[in-house]
Amino acid sequence: DAKTTQPPSMDCAEGRAANLPCNHSTISGNEYVYWYRQIHSQGPQYIIHGLKNNETNEMASLIITEDRKSSTLILPHATLRDTAVYYCIVRALNTGNQFYFGTGTSLTVIP
Amino acid sequence: DAGVIQSPRHEVTEMGQEVTLRCKPISGHDYLFWYRQTMMRGLELLIYFNNNVPIDDSGMPEDRFSAKMPNASFSTLKIQPSEPRDSAVYFCASSLAGPPGELFFGEGSRLTVL
Repeated sequence: DAKTTQPPSMDCAEGRAANLPCNHSTISGNEYVYWYRQIHSQGPQYIIHGLKNNETNEMASLIITEDRKSSTLILPHATLRDTAVYYCIVRALNTGNQFYFGTGTSLTVIP
Repeated sequence: DAGVIQSPRHEVTEMGQEVTLRCKPISGHDYLFWYRQTMMRGLELLIYFNNNVPIDDSGMPEDRFSAKMPNASFSTLKIQPSEPRDSAVYFCASSLAGPPGELFFGEGSRLTVL
């Protein structure tokens, strides 16, 4: 699976949008982009995934660049409960169902 | 559904003892995963099963670690003998086949080996 690069940490003011970048410049055509987050001491939680098109659900939006070499996870109105480590993962479905987690971005939402 | 259920939530044991961690996946899920998380190494995939069959155990650190899935609703991860460096949080996760195939994690078992 393609490697991803994320900033180790970010801050965001409560109520503002949090934009978390991810670089995956070696992504292949059959690889999806997934985002998970892990709130302290809990198991990781799935947020969203996409292949080419931008995606939105009740938790977040995922913006994938046209060349698919990078993406941004957007939390539109960050709350204190969004403080967590956010993982960006790229994965091809034909290589099994396993996910490999990197070091992620530690997001701190500031009151 | 109650989600992925792991037990025990916390385990403190002495070096050399056998440790067994248990996992009940979400009903109907085809895949089951065991992960280990430490500050130094992050979240590592140890082994995963598809339809109760081990598919990839390349992440299992050494022969002291073994995992079984005797049926679709139960899996165990065993460490024998345990060592202090095995201290970590062990997560179990389950999923359906993709896409999207997202993982659903349990709350983890925190193991401390003295």
